[in-house]
Amino acid sequence: EAQVTQNPRYLITVTGKKLTVTCSQNMNHEYMSWYRQDPGLGLRQIYYSMNVEVTDKGDVPEGYKVSRKEKRNFPLILESPSPNQTSLYFCASSPFGINYGYTFGSGTRLTVV
Amino acid sequence: KQEVTQIPAALSVPEGENLVLNCSFTDSAIYNLQWFRQDPGKGLTSLLLIQSSQREQTSGRLNASLDKSSGRSTLYIAASQPGDSATYLCAAETSGSRLTFGEGTQLTVNP
Repeated sequence: EAQVTQNPRYLITVTGKKLTVTCSQNMNHEYMSWYRQDPGLGLRQIYYSMNVEVTDKGDVPEGYKVSRKEKRNFPLILESPSPNQTSLYFCASSPFGINYGYTFGSGTRLTVV
Repeated sequence: KQEVTQIPAALSVPEGENLVLNCSFTDSAIYNLQWFRQDPGKGLTSLLLIQSSQREQTSGRLNASLDKSSGRSTLYIAASQPGDSATYLCAAETSGSRLTFGEGTQLTVNP
């Protein structure tokens, strides 16, 4: 089944403890992206990647890192999480180019205390 | 910077009613406009994608229209059912494969 898989689905952590949220797609898509969703603010793009070893900042990149060493994986790294990073996170992928549509993962609900 | 607005924020209708969800965007230089459905605790499911050169797309009981010049898109749902209850999001795609989302319309269809 074609899908984007995020892990974990739920995570509670403490301020300052480094964490990684994984994202993997099995569709050989070139493009991958991370979003966060917050009440009243909607979905906002954190980082995106057009291909392996190519990443770029979205609208809210502060406090996050990403890497794209393989086409299928695009992990989101929070090196020193803070409570304002408590949010619902989504990973998405798309074939390279506009107008091909996006496949989203099921989301990761992160709580930083 | 692209801004996307959805009206209304919430909508409650009786089963069987036809309804329209609205989406507006500030920058008409879009490649396409996409509609998604989000169920509680779930990810986003793509419903319809209208390319900038198109005026509308249809899938079953769903019809989405796009008017780039006025910066508007509408999602029409015919003969609504309780299973249609969800949050509906629109997103405008611009250069660099950038998606800008609206905040969504939370739809409740009552049996």
